[in-house]
Amino acid sequence: AQSVAQPEDQVNVAEGNPLTVKCTYSVSGNPYLFWYVQYPNRGLQFLLKYITGDNLVKGSYGFEAEFNKSQTSFHLKKPSALVSDSALYFCAVRDGGNAGNMLTFGGGTRLMVKP
Amino acid sequence: DVKVTQSSRYLVKRTGEKVFLECVQDMDHENMFWYRQDPGLGLRLIYFSYDVKMKEKGDIPEGYSVSREKKERFSLILESASTNQTSMYLCASSLSPWREGQFFGPGTRLTVL
Repeated sequence: AQSVAQPEDQVNVAEGNPLTVKCTYSVSGNPYLFWYVQYPNRGLQFLLKYITGDNLVKGSYGFEAEFNKSQTSFHLKKPSALVSDSALYFCAVRDGGNAGNMLTFGGGTRLMVKP
Repeated sequence: DVKVTQSSRYLVKRTGEKVFLECVQDMDHENMFWYRQDPGLGLRLIYFSYDVKMKEKGDIPEGYSVSREKKERFSLILESASTNQTSMYLCASSLSPWREGQFFGPGTRLTVL
């Protein structure tokens, strides 16, 4: 079975400071990893993905994520947070070796960026 | 840009009513999904479809059914709505094989009284 954990319900950071939103996963095969963002009263928007290749993945709005196989983590990062980054962030995983598997989402982390 | 639309943003129904949630995508995607989103639980897959007239149960299919008569449209049906089905419902679509992620609609917030 595959699973995703987002250990923090909420992350608070001051504008201009770096931010990290944590995600760890568990799959039996090779992981396909995704980050999505949800702004208030909106659907989820795709931010970035890791399928294969470079462990550091760059995505939309200046976000990046680092795939760490030994720690089974895929933390989302941004060097300098903006107030407009305040939203709900979801990590998701799929076992790339199993065509029948669907995405499994974490519980979500609310990011609050204060001016 | 891929566009996934859902028929209603907000819906209020009474217990026992039959409820239809409609989802349409305009990018000829093979796969379509229905999730429900609840605080602290993230997104949970209800049903998905990988082709017209094909459907597969997700993690929480009880109390729901789906219909996919056309490639672009995927309907979620609550045969007899109950208060524990009050939730945000999200539709998504993707190409197959989907290495590009899923594209989500804006969601329907359903309240069952």
